[in-house]
Amino acid sequence: GAVVSQHPSRVICKSGTSVKIECRSLDFQATTMFWYRQFPKKSLMLMATSNEGSKATYEQGVEKDKFLINHASLTLSTLTVTSAHPEDSSFYICSAPLQIPGPFWEADTQYFGPGTRLTVL
Amino acid sequence: GNSVTQMEGPVTLSEEAFLTINCTYTATGYPSLFWYVQYPGEGLQLLLKATKADDKGSNKGFEATYRKETTSFHLEKGSVQVSDSAVYFCALSDHGSARQLTFGSGTQLTVLP
Repeated sequence: GAVVSQHPSRVICKSGTSVKIECRSLDFQATTMFWYRQFPKKSLMLMATSNEGSKATYEQGVEKDKFLINHASLTLSTLTVTSAHPEDSSFYICSAPLQIPGPFWEADTQYFGPGTRLTVL
Repeated sequence: GNSVTQMEGPVTLSEEAFLTINCTYTATGYPSLFWYVQYPGEGLQLLLKATKADDKGSNKGFEATYRKETTSFHLEKGSVQVSDSAVYFCALSDHGSARQLTFGSGTQLTVLP
């Protein structure tokens, strides 16, 4: 089946530094990828939609200058947390839909990466 | 807007017990409905899905039926195993929303031997 990888799986950084997280679709192309943030014992919160070849679309309340998204190719999207602070510590998850051609947005299957645990000291 | 409401956990069951995790939704249009499972230390995996009313999704002994009249998609399994211990998320995808998923809050299931 389709696989999405994330790197790194875990990162610890000092406050004020920037951290880059990669999301790759390994055996399919994804013009769109999604970035989520998961708080402990909470659901996933959609942060932004990453679009290949164009700017990302951010959800309300998500700082675009803090969470930089670059969809460099059809298989790679990166999320950079700039000037990270302890409140940015979280579990970041990406997903990519395996798109099914057709006249409707039929139930594409979203494949999720294993997540990246960010801890900002 | 879209929303998904799941029964709150945690849920603790003995092995071979019957499982139901309730899920109701609010959406415009005709959403597709999903159950995802997150095993400890792993990413979310699609468990099952249904794309239209009265469809039944099933996988690994789990099943859920898309009930438009009650806007529900309850997850059931007749006999749970210890290996089913995980967090279960109900989600929907609205056809008009570029395939973004709206998730419920998740339900932690623990199955005891």
